[in-house]
Amino acid sequence: AQSVTQLDSQVPVFEEAPVELRCNYSSSVSVYLFWYVQYPNQGLQLLLKYLSGSTLVKGINGFEAEFNKSQTSFHLRKPSVHISDTAEYFCAVSDRSARQLTFGSGTQLTVLP
Amino acid sequence: DADVTQTPRNRITKTGKRIMLECSQTKGHDRMYWYRQDPGLGLRLIYYSFDVKDINKGEISDGYSVSRQAQAKFSLSLESAIPNQTALYFCATSDHTSGANVLTFGAGSRLTVL
Repeated sequence: AQSVTQLDSQVPVFEEAPVELRCNYSSSVSVYLFWYVQYPNQGLQLLLKYLSGSTLVKGINGFEAEFNKSQTSFHLRKPSVHISDTAEYFCAVSDRSARQLTFGSGTQLTVLP
Repeated sequence: DADVTQTPRNRITKTGKRIMLECSQTKGHDRMYWYRQDPGLGLRLIYYSFDVKDINKGEISDGYSVSRQAQAKFSLSLESAIPNQTALYFCATSDHTSGANVLTFGAGSRLTVL
């Protein structure tokens, strides 16, 4: 079984500042990794995914994440945030059978003017 | 129209009542899921279905049941609702041919049990 830990439940940051949202996972097998975003009063939508290949993954809205196998991490970064990035962000993992997706507890990113 | 539609979007009910949340999709995906979201706990899987005849329990299936009426429809039932089932419920779909579990979510159904 897999598990996901999002180390920060809330991250406040000023507009145009960089941000990193941390995610660590636990698994005894190879995994797929995902970041989803949930805007207020909406469902989740895929931000980016790591399946294989390059460990640096680029997603929508200027976000990127780096898969680090030795540290079992998949941190999400953006060099300059906007007010519109205010949302809750979820890291998720599945094994290569892709039968189930396990989510972390979420990180609320609040971008301040 | 949304690719994944959940009804109702909001529901308030009383302890002991039977509740059904419905989900329909136009994505043509074969896999469907029900998740529950609680503050600070993220999303937890209740049930999932890989086709009409394949239904599986997830992490927190106790107190819930599901029905896959057709490839496009997957409903979640609470036979006798209790207050700790108050939560935001999400339906999601995926396509096994994608090779990875990329989910498409509905907008959610907020359930309050008094």
